[in-house]
Amino acid sequence: QTVVTQEPSLTVSPGGTVTLTCASSTGAVTSGHYPNWFQQKAGQAPRPLIYSANIKHSWTPARFSGSLLGGKAALTLSGVQPEDEAEYHCLLYYGGPWVFGGGTKLTVL
Amino acid sequence: EVQLVESGGGLVQPGRSLRLSCKASGFTLGDYAVSWFRQAPGKGLEWIGFIRSKAFGGTAEYAASLKGRFTFSRDDSKGIAWLQMNSLNTEDTGVYYCARKKGFVDYLGQGTLVSVSS
Repeated sequence: QTVVTQEPSLTVSPGGTVTLTCASSTGAVTSGHYPNWFQQKAGQAPRPLIYSANIKHSWTPARFSGSLLGGKAALTLSGVQPEDEAEYHCLLYYGGPWVFGGGTKLTVL
Repeated sequence: EVQLVESGGGLVQPGRSLRLSCKASGFTLGDYAVSWFRQAPGKGLEWIGFIRSKAFGGTAEYAASLKGRFTFSRDDSKGIAWLQMNSLNTEDTGVYYCARKKGFVDYLGQGTLVSVSS
């Protein structure tokens, strides 16, 4: 069974930079996994942020960026704002099924 | 305005069935695949699967763990997609989301809560 792993939790100071990662149990994450990132604030539905590793939706703030880094998918937040406190979920494609990671709880403190 | 509204959730006994609906507005549902996700209480998101648009055959992909119990369908003339869930168990409890997808997911609904309990 394929497992997608994210950091369970991270803490960042306002104005700081943080990178969340998304790893695959099958090996390196590549562009062929079409990594997606979703943001989910408490009590709300998930909101798509990034698709195909690094493409932003029209509503995605410029401070969010996606990349492939060291065999993982990565989501970097630069100049973190208090409203960025949320759960972040990655989603990877496996040639048929897609698999979510367990999510990263980002605290802005 | 693009909107997806799920409905049909509620309390159901183990072993019973439930059908969720996903009503689309503000766009032509027939131009998109419809994905389904769920989230158990306090847990992460789980990919359930998706149903392709008719232009791509209208076929479906399912998570292996759910295949055989869950079935997708759609009526593009009504702008509605459905998720039929059979033989429900307590592990199926959670919020169920539908989403539109054309290469990538861009809009999700607000979700509908399914509680499986005796």
